[in-house]
Amino acid sequence: DAGVIQSPRHEVTEMGQEVTLRCKPISGHDYLFWYRQTMMRGLELLIYFNNNVPIDDSGMPEDRFSAKMPNASFSTLKIQPSEPRDSAVYFCASSYKIYGYTFGSGTRLTVV
Amino acid sequence: GQQVMQIPQYQHVQEGEDFTTYCNSSTTLSNIQWYKQRPGGHPVFLIQLVKSGEVKKQKRLTFQFGEAKKNSSLHITATQTTDVGTYFCAGGSYIPTFGRGTSLIVHP
Repeated sequence: DAGVIQSPRHEVTEMGQEVTLRCKPISGHDYLFWYRQTMMRGLELLIYFNNNVPIDDSGMPEDRFSAKMPNASFSTLKIQPSEPRDSAVYFCASSYKIYGYTFGSGTRLTVV
Repeated sequence: GQQVMQIPQYQHVQEGEDFTTYCNSSTTLSNIQWYKQRPGGHPVFLIQLVKSGEVKKQKRLTFQFGEAKKNSSLHITATQTTDVGTYFCAGGSYIPTFGRGTSLIVHP
């Protein structure tokens, strides 16, 4: 298995632009998580899905953030409009029965 | 939300010295997971502990889960430069909460 695949690896965008981050989880995993990592706040859980259904989005900072999982093999995290304080590394992770997350390589987002 | 506190934040050691990081929670954890993140990399799952008082070993790494299931530790014997990175614990009643991590710096 190729693991959890995220794209793009790096994204530089201007404030106010829409940003879409993509994730392909490991086949057979029933949980998918979106995390944000910064020096100030560490690893923050933004939202997680179980069997493609959003379960808890209480970590999503604002209405500017949205996430979807249209099928078991694809998820997106969208920020619209983006702001400089959104700059961070965004990780997608998947797991089977919440045992041991497999993280993707992350997307380093810079909003200028 | 549930808080998982991890100490120390940083640890400098000479190669060959031992290293320990501690994870504490004010509430009982159903399980504890440990991850390692190399500089510039992503967290990689190391192990999960479930039972009270459980001890597991992976080569030079020893993981412990407290009797009350409120604390855990990771001990590395005779550190090597390849051990450099940040070690995270993650625990909770259902979806784990990540600690802030302990960054290990190994000086050759």
